[in-house]
Amino acid sequence: DAGITQSPRHKVTETGTPVTLRCHQTENHRYMYWYRQDPGHGLRLIHYSYGVKDTDKGEVSDGYSVSRSKTEDFLLTLESATSSQTSVYFCAISPLTGQGNTEAFFGQGTRLTVV
Amino acid sequence: AQSVTQLDSHVSVSEGTPVLLRCNYSSSYSPSLFWYVQHPNKGLQLLLKYTSAATLVKGINGFEAEFKKSETSFHLTKPSAHMSDAAEYFCVVSEGAAGNKLTFGGGTRVLVKP
Repeated sequence: DAGITQSPRHKVTETGTPVTLRCHQTENHRYMYWYRQDPGHGLRLIHYSYGVKDTDKGEVSDGYSVSRSKTEDFLLTLESATSSQTSVYFCAISPLTGQGNTEAFFGQGTRLTVV
Repeated sequence: AQSVTQLDSHVSVSEGTPVLLRCNYSSSYSPSLFWYVQHPNKGLQLLLKYTSAATLVKGINGFEAEFKKSETSFHLTKPSAHMSDAAEYFCVVSEGAAGNKLTFGGGTRVLVKP
């Protein structure tokens, strides 16, 4: 398995509280991503990073922010959690190979419940 | 903009019979295409990928997929289903623009009956 660790793996939080999820990689890959998985929607991109301090929005970025201060860590913050953000969150990493697109490698996921 | 449509949300097959999972994509560029599998309560594992080389792509566990540009399709097949193939399968497209962003289809859940 690619060296990706997500923490925590499970979290229950209350509406209105901030929550931070962490993704740590040991592969030194350039690209890192945060996705959310909901039934019938597959995985949808929240934010991604193409280098330290370089991030951009995905298709469902509202209510989320990210930071990447080191190559190995990519943090996802829910600024004020809502019930609609109850989901399974996946971190992914991908190398820059110069040979066209490469696949992403996924972490084990974080199950977040907002009550 | 890129998009992916998986034509079946659920597929049920008997063990030992063929599996066909259908995927159509939309892309403004020459895309790369992937199939991932997710077993219950697990992460995602790459089955195979197409990146403009051979149009018939072989993957792990006996799966293969054929890229058909004229039909904008990338269907996944396996000649003989095994019980361990019961999982959810995702077709994914990437256009390779800045960020190497992946766009996922909605997923197809496969049930294998003994």
